[in-house]
Amino acid sequence: EAQVTQNPRYLITVTGKKLTVTCSQNMNHEYMSWYRQDPGLGLRQIYYSMNVEVTDKGDVPEGYKVSRKEKRNFPLILESPSPNQTSLYFCASSLRRGRDTEAFFGQGTRLTVV
Amino acid sequence: DQQVKQNSPSLSVQEGRISILNCDYTNSMFDYFLWYKKYPAEGPTFLISISSIKDKNEDGRFTVFLNKSAKHLSLHIVPSQPGDSAVYFCAASPLGAGSYQLTFGKGTKLSVIP
Repeated sequence: EAQVTQNPRYLITVTGKKLTVTCSQNMNHEYMSWYRQDPGLGLRQIYYSMNVEVTDKGDVPEGYKVSRKEKRNFPLILESPSPNQTSLYFCASSLRRGRDTEAFFGQGTRLTVV
Repeated sequence: DQQVKQNSPSLSVQEGRISILNCDYTNSMFDYFLWYKKYPAEGPTFLISISSIKDKNEDGRFTVFLNKSAKHLSLHIVPSQPGDSAVYFCAASPLGAGSYQLTFGKGTKLSVIP
C-alpha cells in the first residue's frame, strides 16, 4: 500500500531535549515536505526537499532541521524544542514538480513540549 | 500576510444539497491549486486540483472553479453526503513548483446534516 509513515504519532517531551520525528515514503517520490498545523493558522511549510541531499526552508523553518540522506526518508529534527513548537506535524511526499501531481500526507505527529 | 484565505471557518449544509467552499488568494505567482479534505486524527487527503490554464475541473461529485481575474476559487460538492463532513483546506503552489511547495488556507469545517 502506497503510504507516508510518520513516527511517533504522539510525543510529549520537555523543553530542550532533542528529538527526531521520522518520515518514510514507499512511493519512490522525489519531493518531500514537513508542515505544522496550528489552530487558526492552517498548515504551514517548515522545510522541503527536492531530492537526496537537497533541502530548502519553507515558511517557518526556525528551530527545525531536516536531512535527506536517502530518497525514502526525511526526518524532522528539533535540536532544542520549546513550548511554541507544540503542534501537529505532517510529512508529505510528491512524485515530481508540475501541475499534475498531488502531495500525499502522513497521519501526523502530535507533539507537546512542556 | 496570508496569501491563501478561506474566510468561512465553518459551513453547515443539508444532506443532498450543494456545498460551496470558497478560497481567495493574493499571490499572482500561484498557478496550481488543490483542495484537501481532513478528518480528525488523520492526515489531509487530496481531493481535486486545478491549474491556472483551466477554469473548471470536475471529478464525480466534486467540481472546482477558478476565476483568475478575481483570484478566487471554489469547491462545489453535489450532492453533499454526511461522509463529506470534514475540514477542507485550499492550497496553492507557485509557478512550476507543483505540489511540493504548498501554501494552505486556514480551512473550512463542513458539516453535512442528515
